[in-house]
Amino acid sequence: NAGVTQTPKFRILKIGQSMTLQCTQDMNHNYMYWYRQDPGMGLKLIYYSVGAGITDKGEVPNGYNVSRSTTEDFPLRLELAAPSQTSVYFCASRPVRGNEKLFFGSGTQLSVL
Amino acid sequence: RKEVEQDPGPFNVPEGATVAFNCTYSNSASQSFFWYRQDCRKEPKLLMSVYSSGNEDGRFTAQLNRASQYISLLIRDSKLSDSATYLCVAANTGNQFYFGTGTSLTVIP
Repeated sequence: NAGVTQTPKFRILKIGQSMTLQCTQDMNHNYMYWYRQDPGMGLKLIYYSVGAGITDKGEVPNGYNVSRSTTEDFPLRLELAAPSQTSVYFCASRPVRGNEKLFFGSGTQLSVL
Repeated sequence: RKEVEQDPGPFNVPEGATVAFNCTYSNSASQSFFWYRQDCRKEPKLLMSVYSSGNEDGRFTAQLNRASQYISLLIRDSKLSDSATYLCVAANTGNQFYFGTGTSLTVIP
C-alpha cells in the first residue's frame, strides 16, 4: 500500500498566486486532516474531514479551502498565497475506529516569496 | 490558550541517561492522548498511546494524570537513535488531534 501520498514535495509561490496541495490515501480511511508546521513549532490543524462531503475548520483555517468529494482525496487550496503561509504542510488520515493512529504523508514544503 | 503545551527544551543528555518530558492539555474533555516522534524534516510517527493506567513499551513509559491534565514520557537508557523531537498530542471527541510544539532531545555519545 502507498498509504498517504502528498504532492508536490516542494513548491515556491509568488505572493498572490494560487495552488492546490494534493493528498490521497488508499487505506479507505474516513478521517483526513491537514496540518501546517512552521519552523521549530508543532503542527497546527487547518481543516479536517470525517468523510466524503464533510469538512470542518481546525485551528488555523484562514486563507485555505478544502473539499472532500471522495474518500481517497482531500486537496488543500491556497487562493491568494501570502508569506505567512510559508510552512511545511502535512496531510494525515485514520480509520473510524479500532486504531487512532494518524497516518501521515511525507509533507509539502511551501515557500511564498 | 494553547490546547497542548510542552517544554520545548532542548534536552541534551548523555547515552544511557533517563530523561522525562512533560505536557499539559487545556481541554478537560480531551479523550485520547499520544506521543509522536518527529525526525528532522520528516513526518511525525506514533511512538505510543497514553492510558490512564500508564503504559510501557520497552525503554519508554507514558503516564496520564486526568485530574491535573498532565501527560509524561519517560525514556530510560537513552540511545543515540532517540535523538528527535517528541510531540505530545491530545484528541477530543470531535476527532480533532492537537499537537504540542514538541520537545527536542539530543543524546550525546
